[in-house]
Amino acid sequence: NAGVTQTPKFQVLKTGQSMTLQCAQDMNHEYMSWYRQDPGMGLRLIHYSVGAGITDQGEVPNGYNVSRSTTEDFPLRLLSAAPSQTSVYFCASVAIRGLNYGYTFGSGTRLTVV
Amino acid sequence: AQKVTQAQTEISVVEKEDVTLDCVYETRDTTYYLFWYKQPPSGELVFLIRRNSFDEQNEISGRYSWNFQKSTSSFNFTITASQVVDSAVYFCALSEANNAGNMLTFGGGTRLMVKP
Repeated sequence: NAGVTQTPKFQVLKTGQSMTLQCAQDMNHEYMSWYRQDPGMGLRLIHYSVGAGITDQGEVPNGYNVSRSTTEDFPLRLLSAAPSQTSVYFCASVAIRGLNYGYTFGSGTRLTVV
Repeated sequence: AQKVTQAQTEISVVEKEDVTLDCVYETRDTTYYLFWYKQPPSGELVFLIRRNSFDEQNEISGRYSWNFQKSTSSFNFTITASQVVDSAVYFCALSEANNAGNMLTFGGGTRLMVKP
């Protein structure tokens, strides 16, 4: 089925470890983004990309890196995990403005840093 | 800067009651988009509706209806004859047209509990 695929669904890390959250979409969307969801705060934008090779920071970028080598993939890297990065992470793929304008979210990755 | 406020953090109703979830937004743009998402206990985000700033028509979809009022910067969501399956967290979100990253700004969410 067309959509956004996120892996893994769950992950436990120790403080200081690094990891990569994977995100892939098959809708040929140029725009992709990463959000984190914390209790009572809704979702907040971490990083986004407007096309292959182009990324930029969102609202809460510290501690995360992204790259966009292909249109399909937009991985999120935690360089040195901290307990404050315990959260649920959502990847989104965005259809450009117009009649189809909208966001397709992945199923989320629940990350716990101990 | 864009901002979304959902003042109701939790609402509890009994099945078949009507319930309205409030959403108030702030933006300086004249062109913007408003969204509602449902997050059931399974955790995924389910798209419910998108409304652009030039379309103030209210919308009804089955038991769901939305009231968009630019004069009060509100985009409220009503569930008629609520059901247990409506239990979820509901998010209102805003995207400004002049937003380079197509950033969605979310409200804090309203947890709706529908009791049988």
